[in-house]
Amino acid sequence: AQRVTQPEKLLSVFKGAPVELKCNYSYSGSPELFWYVQYSRQRLQLLLRHISRESIKGFTADLNKGETSFHLKKPFAQEEDSAMYYCALSGTTSGTYKYIFGTGTRLKVLA
Amino acid sequence: DTGVSQNPRHKITKRGQNVTFRCDPISEHNRLYWYRQTLGQGPEFLTYFQNEAQLEKSRLLSDRFSAERPKGSFSTLEIQRTEQGDSAMYLCASSPQVNNEKLFFGSGTQLSVL
Repeated sequence: AQRVTQPEKLLSVFKGAPVELKCNYSYSGSPELFWYVQYSRQRLQLLLRHISRESIKGFTADLNKGETSFHLKKPFAQEEDSAMYYCALSGTTSGTYKYIFGTGTRLKVLA
Repeated sequence: DTGVSQNPRHKITKRGQNVTFRCDPISEHNRLYWYRQTLGQGPEFLTYFQNEAQLEKSRLLSDRFSAERPKGSFSTLEIQRTEQGDSAMYLCASSPQVNNEKLFFGSGTQLSVL
């Protein structure tokens, strides 16, 4: 079964500290992994996806198929990074294009 | 604003009543998704359409829920005989017909069942 696990509900870090938001997934095929972000009073939006291999707002994420993980990292957190972060998975081999989301991690960056 | 539009933004209803929500996707997007989100949880998949065809429906979706996208443009989600457990944020998202393309979300409809 497809599943996305985000073990931390809340992560608090100080400004300038490194950030790592954990995401583990379960999928039998070849998944596409995404990170979505929701800032206060804004709609859910894409932050980055693994296929693009890009860095957005200083965030990166590497797909580790051996550990079935897709952790989100940023070397120096900023206060404007405070938001809800959701890891999501989409299948590529089963013909299913639904997206499965994790329960989310709230990131609080403290001044 | 050419983004995904959802109406109404808020809906308060009494238990047992029927409610209907509307979603207008980005005009050139073929795929449309409905999700439900409760406090402390991530978006939970309900159903999705490719054009007017409903291609998948969550097994968690009871028979009281029905969704349509009659002309492949806007979509409606109806909940019959609402229950207090239906209280949630109902999110709509759309995407182009490209495999695993990113989703564009609406602001959601917050349903409160009293």
